Amino acid sequence: KAGVTQTPRYLIKTRGQQVTLSCSPISGHRSVSWYQQTPGQGLQFLFEYFSETQRNKGNFPGRFSGRQFSNSRSEMNVSTLELGDSALYLCASSLVAQGAGGYTFGSGTRLTVV
Amino acid sequence: GENVEQHPSTLSVQEGDSAVIKCTYSDSASNYFPWYKQELGKGPQLIIDIRSNVGEKKDQRIAVTLNKTAKHFSLHITETQPEDSAVYFCAASFSTGANSKLTFGKGITLSVRP
Repeated sequence: KAGVTQTPRYLIKTRGQQVTLSCSPISGHRSVSWYQQTPGQGLQFLFEYFSETQRNKGNFPGRFSGRQFSNSRSEMNVSTLELGDSALYLCASSLVAQGAGGYTFGSGTRLTVV
Repeated sequence: GENVEQHPSTLSVQEGDSAVIKCTYSDSASNYFPWYKQELGKGPQLIIDIRSNVGEKKDQRIAVTLNKTAKHFSLHITETQPEDSAVYFCAASFSTGANSKLTFGKGITLSVRP
């Protein structure tokens, strides 16, 4: 079966711009979680959506937001980009909430803010 | 909230030797402990997981042990091969409750010398 698909793979944006990242989970998975990965901080939890509802949120500013559609696809948006937002953004899907049965990660979107 | 720490941050072993990666967690309510492997340019991949009602789990060359009293769990890789070289992440969560989330350690880079 198809894995988790994240688009785009790479993105370069200028400070102050906004960006939208997309994630298509494995068919049948209703939970989508987003993580930010940086060399110094590892994997930091952004938020989780389950059946179109945000179920949990990490400690990120309000510039980071997300949503989930009825087909379980999810998008995350970052507004007013800062240099420190440069990171690999990973999406993970799972059958049940919070990856209790194990996450399947996508390959990520590499965001560079210049 | 939960805090997960991994030690050491890097590990180098000779091909054929065993590798042990240790993690500690802070929240005694955590009951689910997965391990992920991340290869260059890819998202993390679940390789093994353990729940708090089990002390040890094996899958071919890899095994995970859990010590709930000491709040630590370890990944054991036997007969290491060059393709085991990657970044390994441990994680912990309590898999019930509206605010549960998977918290990751910062990762360890394993290098297997041929």
